[in-house]
Amino acid sequence: QMQLVQSGAEVKKPGSSVKVSCKASGGTFSEYTLSWVRQAPGQGLEWMGGIIPIFRRSYYAQKFQGRVTITADTSSNTAFMELSSLRSEDTAVYYCTSLMAGWGQGTLVTVSS
Amino acid sequence: DIQMTQSPSSLSASVGDRVTIACQASQNISNHLIWHQQKPGKAPELLIYDASNLETGVPSRFGGRGSGTYFIFTISSLQPEDIATYYCQQYDDLPETFGQGTKVEIK
Repeated sequence: QMQLVQSGAEVKKPGSSVKVSCKASGGTFSEYTLSWVRQAPGQGLEWMGGIIPIFRRSYYAQKFQGRVTITADTSSNTAFMELSSLRSEDTAVYYCTSLMAGWGQGTLVTVSS
Repeated sequence: DIQMTQSPSSLSASVGDRVTIACQASQNISNHLIWHQQKPGKAPELLIYDASNLETGVPSRFGGRGSGTYFIFTISSLQPEDIATYYCQQYDDLPETFGQGTKVEIK
């Protein structure tokens, strides 16, 4: 059973960038989309974008266009989500998720001066 | 963007009750719908994909049906461990979108 394991919590300053990783263990990337979803404190789930790893083709929600970059390294079965120009409203738990593997455990990103 | 509207936003039911949650899409999404369960303080878990297919290991008291624009999620006999927020998600078109969630509590 494939599992998604994410990198650890981050604390960032406003205006900086954060890069979160998501490694697939127990399997390999496939043609299924791997998505990034975030959840602000007390809020619902928000889709940010996704990637089809074997094609390295990325898709982004309009809201995050220009600020988010999603990439994948098929040799290490790892996907990455980089969010730039961070502001306090970006404080949230960031998840990777795929139909093939379910959800990662989440990565808390705190943006604070 | 496809809007996903869940109802109710919260519900309270007794152990053993049948629980039903509805999810309406703003346009036809075929059967490209997922139901997720999120327990307090935990990551979501995928319960049902393609509107009605139970993920491996998910108890059979959970079920889903529907196609097109209207979908139903059911718990046939509510258990204490089912306390969670449930989300529908469409993956028919980009951007993928979620319903606002339904919080299920025990009466």
